[in-house]
Amino acid sequence: DTGVSQDPRHKITKRGQNVTFRCDPISEHNRLYWYRQTLGQGPEFLTYFQNEAQLEKSRLLSDRFSAERPKGSFSTLEIQRTEQGDSAMYLCASSLVGGLQETQYFGPGTRLLVL
Amino acid sequence: AQKITQTQPGMFVQEKEAVTLDCTYDTSDQSYGLFWYKQPSSGEMIFLIYQGSYDEQNATEGRYSLNFQKARKSANLVISASQLGDSAMYFCAMSLLSGGYQKVTFGIGTKLQVIP
Repeated sequence: DTGVSQDPRHKITKRGQNVTFRCDPISEHNRLYWYRQTLGQGPEFLTYFQNEAQLEKSRLLSDRFSAERPKGSFSTLEIQRTEQGDSAMYLCASSLVGGLQETQYFGPGTRLLVL
Repeated sequence: AQKITQTQPGMFVQEKEAVTLDCTYDTSDQSYGLFWYKQPSSGEMIFLIYQGSYDEQNATEGRYSLNFQKARKSANLVISASQLGDSAMYFCAMSLLSGGYQKVTFGIGTKLQVIP
C-alpha cells in the first residue's frame, strides 16, 4: 500500500511563470485536499475534492490558482503568473469519507520557490 | 471561528525521557476531532493520534498519548521514552464538519529536539 505521492518535490521558478504540481492520493481514498504551508506556520486549507468534484475553495485560492482532479484519481494544482508570495510548501492529503474521525494522510509536499 | 494555539515554539528533551507538547483549542461546536501530526525535516506530515470530542478515554497509540481535558479545551501530546527520531515539528489540529467535509485547522507547531 503506497502512500500519497507528490511531484515534483522541489520547484524553483521565476516570477511570472506558471507552475503545475501533481498529487497521487492513496488509491481507495475518495477525498483529496490541498494545503499551503509557509515558514513558521501550520498548513492552511486551499481546496478539497470529493471524487472528481471540487466542493470547497478557500479565500486563499486566488484566481491565479486552479486545481483539478480528472476522473477522481490524481490531482493537479496550477499557479499562473507566480508571485514571490507564492513561495511555500504545497501539501496534498487524501482520506476516506468518515466523519470527524476521518484521518487525512499527507504526501511529502512540493516546495516552491519563486525568484 | 475555530483556533488552535501551540505556545511552545521549541522544546528539548533528553533521550528516553517523556515530554509533553501543549495544545489548546477554541470552538463553539460540541462535536469536533483533535489530531496530532509530526513533520520531520523532509516535509511529510505524519498522522500520530486522534481524539474525538465525545471520547471519554484519552487516546493512546504506542508511545503517544493525548491528554484530553475538555473543560480546559486542551489536548496535550505526551511522548514517552523519547527517541532521537522523534526530533521534528509537531502540529496540533482540530477538525470540524463543515458543509459535509472535514475542515481542519492547524496550530503553528512546536519544534521538538531530542538530546542524546
